[in-house]
Amino acid sequence: GENVEQHPSTLSVQEGDSAVIKCTYSDSASNYFPWYKQELGKGPQLIIDIRSNVGEKKDQRIAVTLNKTAKHFSLHITETQPEDSAVYFCAANTNAGKSTFGDGTTLTVKP
Amino acid sequence: KAGVTQTPRYLIKTRGQQVTLSCSPISGHRSVSWYQQTPGQGLQFLFEYFSETQRNKGNFPGRFSGRQFSNSRSEMNVSTLELGDSALYLCASAWDNYGYTFGSGTRLTVV
Repeated sequence: GENVEQHPSTLSVQEGDSAVIKCTYSDSASNYFPWYKQELGKGPQLIIDIRSNVGEKKDQRIAVTLNKTAKHFSLHITETQPEDSAVYFCAANTNAGKSTFGDGTTLTVKP
Repeated sequence: KAGVTQTPRYLIKTRGQQVTLSCSPISGHRSVSWYQQTPGQGLQFLFEYFSETQRNKGNFPGRFSGRQFSNSRSEMNVSTLELGDSALYLCASAWDNYGYTFGSGTRLTVV
């Protein structure tokens, strides 16, 4: 079955710096790659996603890149702010709506 | 618009009992997925329903079951509860296979 590896598990940056989280997937049938932000006591919140026919997508300070050949995808957050502190999850989906999640990255943005 | 609503928010059950959790998706969403979240195992896929049909099932024992009603509302049931079933159970909905919105979850504690 699908396996998603996520790195790093923890990431600490200074406010204003950039943060990068990387994921690798194993199932070549995966064609949709969402990223979620989870804050304490809440469910994961979709922050950006990318489909397999696109190499890069950007939404304000957040961007995602996908390398299908290497089966890698990454989340880039620029100009980080303290409110970006949370746990971030990557996921890989097949057409049938099943998500396999990475283990999460705890991002801490120091003011 | 209203988000994904999960009830109850918290639940305490005794080993051997059964439990039913409820999920009301966003209006118009046809796909509902369920996940189990624990500190040790992360987010694990349970099953996914689309227009009342189970399309996918994760690697959980038969004690875990679910269903979806004609109004897209979904329930999951766990029979013969074990201590290891203590977790946050998350429901997510989408119109098709993309852009899932998660609820805040039901925190189940088995004692």
